[in-house]
Amino acid sequence: AQSVTQPDIHITVSEGASLELRCNYSYGATPYLFWYVQSPGQGLQLLLKYFSGDTLVQGIKGFEAEFKRSQSSFNLRKPSVHWSDAAEYFCAVGPYSGGYQKVTFGIGTKLQVIP
Amino acid sequence: DAMVIQNPRYQVTQFGKPVTLSCSQTLNHNVMYWYQQKSSQAPKLLFHYYDKDFNNEADTPDNFQSRRPNTSFCFLDIRSPGLGDAAMYLCATSRELETSLAKNIQYFGAGTRLSVL
Repeated sequence: AQSVTQPDIHITVSEGASLELRCNYSYGATPYLFWYVQSPGQGLQLLLKYFSGDTLVQGIKGFEAEFKRSQSSFNLRKPSVHWSDAAEYFCAVGPYSGGYQKVTFGIGTKLQVIP
Repeated sequence: DAMVIQNPRYQVTQFGKPVTLSCSQTLNHNVMYWYQQKSSQAPKLLFHYYDKDFNNEADTPDNFQSRRPNTSFCFLDIRSPGLGDAAMYLCATSRELETSLAKNIQYFGAGTRLSVL
């Protein structure tokens, strides 16, 4: 069974500082990996996804993530955080193939940005 | 413009009183999903429709039902809400149920937050 671990429930960073959100996955084959962001009172918005190819993936809003197969990780990064980045971030994993694309989400990391 | 619309954004119901949550989409996607998200937890898939075909997750309680009268609309019915059903309910759509997720992203609505008194 596939699973996702986000070890940090809550992270606080200063505006302008760099950010790294951790994600580890467990999956028996080649995974599809996603990062979603959920602003307060909003639904989930896809930030970026990894399917194959270059292990460094660029997303929207200046985010990037790096797939490291040896570490089963897909950490999300941003070089300089803006106050508007305060939100909850979910890592998710899905099957590379199969008739039913069930995506499993992590429990999320809440990001607080302080001035 | 919102492509997946959930109404209402906030719903309050009484213990045991049936409640219906609504989702509509303008994407003409074949697949519609319902997720339950409790506070500080990951979204949990309840069921999905592929066109008119309904697929229930094995651990979804019988108390939760769904209807999809046409491509654009999907409803979540909670027959007898309990206190434990208070949560955010997210609707999502995807174009197809393909074997590859590469071409098939889920689009989420803003959610309906359900309170049970």
